[in-house]
Amino acid sequence: EADIYQTPRYLVIGTGKKITLECSQTMGHDKMYWYQQDPGMELHLIHYSYGVNSTEKGDLSSESTVSRIRTEHFPLTLESARPSHTSQYLCASSSGSWEQYFGPGTRLTVT
Amino acid sequence: QQQVKQSPQSLIVQKGGISIINCAYENTAFDYFPWYQQFPGKGPALLIAIRPDVSEKKEGRFTISFNKSAKQFSLHIMDSQPGDSATYFCAARKGQKLVFGQGTRLTINP
Repeated sequence: EADIYQTPRYLVIGTGKKITLECSQTMGHDKMYWYQQDPGMELHLIHYSYGVNSTEKGDLSSESTVSRIRTEHFPLTLESARPSHTSQYLCASSSGSWEQYFGPGTRLTVT
Repeated sequence: QQQVKQSPQSLIVQKGGISIINCAYENTAFDYFPWYQQFPGKGPALLIAIRPDVSEKKEGRFTISFNKSAKQFSLHIMDSQPGDSATYFCAARKGQKLVFGQGTRLTINP
């Protein structure tokens, strides 16, 4: 089983709050990704990083931001949460191989 | 614009039957085609994958069939079991990024 962790697993928060979703991996992978997924629906890439101090926006526009200061850590931040941000957020990582390993996800609800 | 189209959206199969999920793509730059399995409350996990220079790959009860000329690939689950009930996603890779299909919710009736 892949060693990639996400916290919190569930988060209910009010509109306008700042939130940070944590993602950490212990595999030493250089590439990390954030996906947004509505329950049971397809995954949309919102951010990715190919290494420390490297971040790029994905195919789906997102108001969130990311940082990559350490190889193992790739947090996602929303400065001002809105109900439209309600979704599941999945973090993934990969090395030079083909496979992306996914974390368990954070289910975010903004009221 | 949907780059990878997956069908059906949902599928019900009797225990012991064959489950078939199909995907089609347009971009010939894709160079790797994985299938992911996702259980409720979990992240997707790689099930099986194929490169476009191979027409079929089998791992246990799971087989990918790949038709490069038609730009289609499919997942076959033989002897389907209730434990196979999950959502399945096909994907295609370009560069270091994956593009996912819409997902198929598979239910295996006992």
